[in-house]
Amino acid sequence: AQSVTQPDIHITVSEGASLELRCNYSYGATPYLFWYVQSPGQGLQLLLKYFSGDTLVQGIKGFEAEFKRSQSSFNLRKPSVHWSDAAEYFCAVALRGGYSTLTFGKGTMLLVSP
Amino acid sequence: DAGVTQSPTHLIKTRGQHVTLRCSPISGHKSVSWYQQVLGQGPQFIFQYYEKEERGRGNFPDRFSARQFPNYSSELNVNALLLGDSALYLCASSSGQGVGELFFGEGSRLTVL
Repeated sequence: AQSVTQPDIHITVSEGASLELRCNYSYGATPYLFWYVQSPGQGLQLLLKYFSGDTLVQGIKGFEAEFKRSQSSFNLRKPSVHWSDAAEYFCAVALRGGYSTLTFGKGTMLLVSP
Repeated sequence: DAGVTQSPTHLIKTRGQHVTLRCSPISGHKSVSWYQQVLGQGPQFIFQYYEKEERGRGNFPDRFSARQFPNYSSELNVNALLLGDSALYLCASSSGQGVGELFFGEGSRLTVL
């Protein structure tokens, strides 16, 4: 069965430290890959997406993600976390050639300590 | 420019009742999708509509239905509400029917008592 796994439910990072959020997928072929962020009481905002080409993708707010086909992973990174980055982060995938239907992971809650 | 707008933002219903949630997509967007987000989980796909036709349906019972109007706004209807229907219902719009960038609204939070 197709699935998206975010193994970390919560992560706490000190402000200014680096961040990596993990995402693994299980699909028959390489899907389209996305990272979304959700702040409390807010909808989802797209951080970045990978369709093809360069496997290192730059997004908004200083985030980047690297697609590794051999590991079926699409991990999100940020070199220096700000307190405003505290939110829930969702990895999502979509089948190529399909309609705009996303399958989401369960999310990782990022807490930023002073 | 207005983003995706949803109404109502919060509502409380009792078991057995029905609910209608509304969504207005970004101007010019012809595709609307609905997702259910239960507390502590990622969003789950319910429906996608494009040009007023259903293009996809997730694994939800027939109590869930939706439609898209000529102005591309959409309604999600849920009948015979169960406690387990309590969730944040998210609407997303996109310009085309294929996978691109989905723009999400802030959601309608439904509580079923």
